[in-house]
Amino acid sequence: AQSVTQLDSQVPVFEEAPVELRCNYSSSVSVYLFWYVQYPNQGLQLLLKYLSGSTLVESINGFEAEFNKSQTSFHLRKPSVHISDTAEYFCAVSERDSSYKLIFGSGTRLLVRP
Amino acid sequence: DVKVTQSSRYLVKRTGEKVFLECVQDMDHENMFWYRQDPGLGLRLIYFSYDVKMKEKGDIPEGYSVSREKKERFSLILESASTNQTSMYLCASKGGGDDRVKGYTFGSGTRLTVV
Repeated sequence: AQSVTQLDSQVPVFEEAPVELRCNYSSSVSVYLFWYVQYPNQGLQLLLKYLSGSTLVESINGFEAEFNKSQTSFHLRKPSVHISDTAEYFCAVSERDSSYKLIFGSGTRLLVRP
Repeated sequence: DVKVTQSSRYLVKRTGEKVFLECVQDMDHENMFWYRQDPGLGLRLIYFSYDVKMKEKGDIPEGYSVSREKKERFSLILESASTNQTSMYLCASKGGGDDRVKGYTFGSGTRLTVV
């Protein structure tokens, strides 16, 4: 069975500082990996995904994540955060062969302070 | 863009009531899902459906049922609401075939309070 672990429930950071949100997964088969973001009072939006190829994937708003197969990790990073990045971030995994089902981590709340 | 619409943003129901949460998507997606979201627990899958009239239990189906009579609509039913079902409910949809790698599209959620 698959599982996703987000060890940090909350990450406070000052504006313009770098941030890393950690995600580790467990699976016996090959997987697709996703990061979703949830802004206050909204549903989840896809931030970025890893399907195959380059292990470094980027989003349009400056976030990036790197797939590390040996460490079974998919950490999310941003070199300089903005107040508007305050949100909850969810890491998710799905099996390649039955990829209609996503398993989510417990989420990390990113709090960006001025 | 795919749109997933949940009929209510906020609901307050009494214990024992039968509750219907409705979800509609407009992109002919085969797969639809119901999750509940609770602080510290993330999203947990209640039920999903991969075709009309087809459904499968997720990780926490107890106390819930679903209905998918038409491809665009997926309903979550609480047969007899209880206070431990107070939560945020999120509906999502996803295409099949090559679309299956595009990820889910989520609705805005329904915050249900059972009193």
